[in-house]
Amino acid sequence: DIQMTQSPSTLSASVGDRVTITCRATQSISTYLSWYQQKPGKAPKLLIYGASRLQSGVPSRFSGSGSGTDFTLTISSLQPEDFATYYCQQSFSTLFLTFGGGTKVEIK
Amino acid sequence: QVQLQESGPGLVKPSQTLSLSCTVSGGSLSSGVSYWSWIRQHPRKGLEWIGYVSNSGSAYYNPSLSSRLSISVDTSKNQISLKLNSVTTADTAVYFCARVEREGGNYYFHYWGQGTLVTVSS
Repeated sequence: DIQMTQSPSTLSASVGDRVTITCRATQSISTYLSWYQQKPGKAPKLLIYGASRLQSGVPSRFSGSGSGTDFTLTISSLQPEDFATYYCQQSFSTLFLTFGGGTKVEIK
Repeated sequence: QVQLQESGPGLVKPSQTLSLSCTVSGGSLSSGVSYWSWIRQHPRKGLEWIGYVSNSGSAYYNPSLSSRLSISVDTSKNQISLKLNSVTTADTAVYFCARVEREGGNYYFHYWGQGTLVTVSS
């Protein structure tokens, strides 16, 4: 199976900060990577797919980049509603989809 | 707008079978080709893909669960079902159903149910 490792596991930041979350795969997954945001008690929300394609309706302060094994999710200017946990998910192996362990973005 | 709603017992005894349904509204499971997935989240933990099924009934499972798992589709009821046998406390989790979006080889989840907590306990 392809394992996805996110870093950091927790991130403390302030409103207006630029935030970067990293996701690393144990083998190359091309650009078959998606990012989700989850708030407590809610289902995850799709932010980005295809490593860099912004889902319709998602604010443009979110962006994704990377290919192969290393990927980043960037929030250009953190807003109060962005405090949440973020997950990456690979689909290179379509018969065994896997998620990263999550990155919790906390208020500093 | 596609909506998904999970339902089923919130409490299951160890060694028994966990059975959940996901009712889809805002679209028919009979039309076109679609894929539907189950994903779970253990308390205060990350997300785990359980498996997915096509609307024609072809199912694909997480290898770590495949020996205990069955996912099926009932197009007449517009429902997707999950059955997990021989459960233990390690199967306690929030269970989500989601539609699999497939685009250029990317498989991702746009529409999700709100999730249902299943506790395995005697």
